[in-house]
Amino acid sequence: DTGVSQNPRHKITKRGQNVTFRCDPISEHNRLYWYRQTLGQGPEFLTYFQNEAQLEKSRLLSDRFSAERPKGSFSTLEIQRTEQGDSAMYLCASSFREGRTGYEQYFGPGTRLTVT
Amino acid sequence: GEDVEQSLFLSVREGDSSVINCTYTDSSSTYLYWYKQEPGAGLQLLTYIFSNMDMKQDQRLTVLLNKKDKHLSLRIADTQTGDSAIYFCAENQAGTALIFGKGTTLSVSS
Repeated sequence: DTGVSQNPRHKITKRGQNVTFRCDPISEHNRLYWYRQTLGQGPEFLTYFQNEAQLEKSRLLSDRFSAERPKGSFSTLEIQRTEQGDSAMYLCASSFREGRTGYEQYFGPGTRLTVT
Repeated sequence: GEDVEQSLFLSVREGDSSVINCTYTDSSSTYLYWYKQEPGAGLQLLTYIFSNMDMKQDQRLTVLLNKKDKHLSLRIADTQTGDSAIYFCAENQAGTALIFGKGTTLSVSS
């Protein structure tokens, strides 16, 4: 088990460009979550999937953000027409319910986005 | 709305115990978690507790839950310099989005 992986680890882009991030969850985990973290704050929820289905989206997720998980395995998060306020660490987590466990979420290392 | 509050800083000496406190507002929370984040890294799940439990111990970590007061604490025994990090309290109902506090920065001096 290699854990949750995210690519790229760092992305610098100019305002107005589109960016896409990828998350590979722990294999057999059926839930996948995206969070955003800015300096000095805790992570804020963006959206999550169970298998291919997007079950919940935060009000933070503007129309410029879209996430997919087409085959129920990896997920992508795209930000269109980036703004400086999008600069943050984007974190992905995955989870699986087994027995009496409670869908504990395991996080990847994050993708740090800088919009110039 | 739901909210999770933590004190921002804690400073202890190596070998002492550390106690990090957290309060939450959502009475329907069923799971409460502690995560650790080191500089530039993702979040590491340390431990969690079901809302029907009062206490959970895992090696040097002890979690206490007072459901009536909606108060959660994390005690780290024999704190080491490697424990220096930001500690986040979080809550949710099973499988849903985690609500995080702003984190407590633990500084351990030798």
